[in-house]
Amino acid sequence: DIQMTQSPSSLSASVGDRVTITCRASQTINNYLNWYQQKPGKAPKLLIYAASSLQSGVPSRFSGSGSGTDFTLTISSLQPEDFAAYYCQQSYSSPFTFGPGTKVDIK
Amino acid sequence: QVQLQESGPGLVKPSETLSLTCAVSGYSISSGYYWGWIRQPPGKGLEWIASIYHSGRTYYNPSLKSRVTISVDTSKNQFSLELSSVTAADTAVYHCARPGGVKGAFDIWGQGTMVTVSS
Repeated sequence: DIQMTQSPSSLSASVGDRVTITCRASQTINNYLNWYQQKPGKAPKLLIYAASSLQSGVPSRFSGSGSGTDFTLTISSLQPEDFAAYYCQQSYSSPFTFGPGTKVDIK
Repeated sequence: QVQLQESGPGLVKPSETLSLTCAVSGYSISSGYYWGWIRQPPGKGLEWIASIYHSGRTYYNPSLKSRVTISVDTSKNQFSLELSSVTAADTAVYHCARPGGVKGAFDIWGQGTMVTVSS
């Protein structure tokens, strides 16, 4: 199985801050890497697919980069509605595994 | 637009079988795509369980494969999950989702249904 790790596990930030979350795969997954946002009591929402492509309807302050094993999700200017948990997920090979998540809360 | 809605019992006894159904609206399952199940124990992360193609081809998470069956009913436009011999560790929110995005991203999700395993 491909193991996914994320760092940090949590962070505190202020509105307007630039936030970066890192995801690493235990083996190369090319760019089969997706990012999701999840708010309490809600289903995850796809933000970024194929490492760097913005899902339709997602604000442009979200961006993704990386390839191979190392990937990054960046929020350029944190907004109040962005406080949530973020998960990366590899769709390169079954079983399709998720990272443990990064919780972003208000500083 | 495509919508997914899970249904099933919210409480299952230990050693019994958990059965859930995901009703699909706004799209005909027989037209294509894989369809899947993902769960999230309270306060924990996401775990992919299984996926099925409209033709019936399946993928299972090896960690659960011996206890899981996923099936599709194109006549009812729905797909289902059965998880046998459940324990408290199977207590979770169960989401159905469609890995229909580019390169298999889960682009559409059901709201999820909480299943508690308890006597």
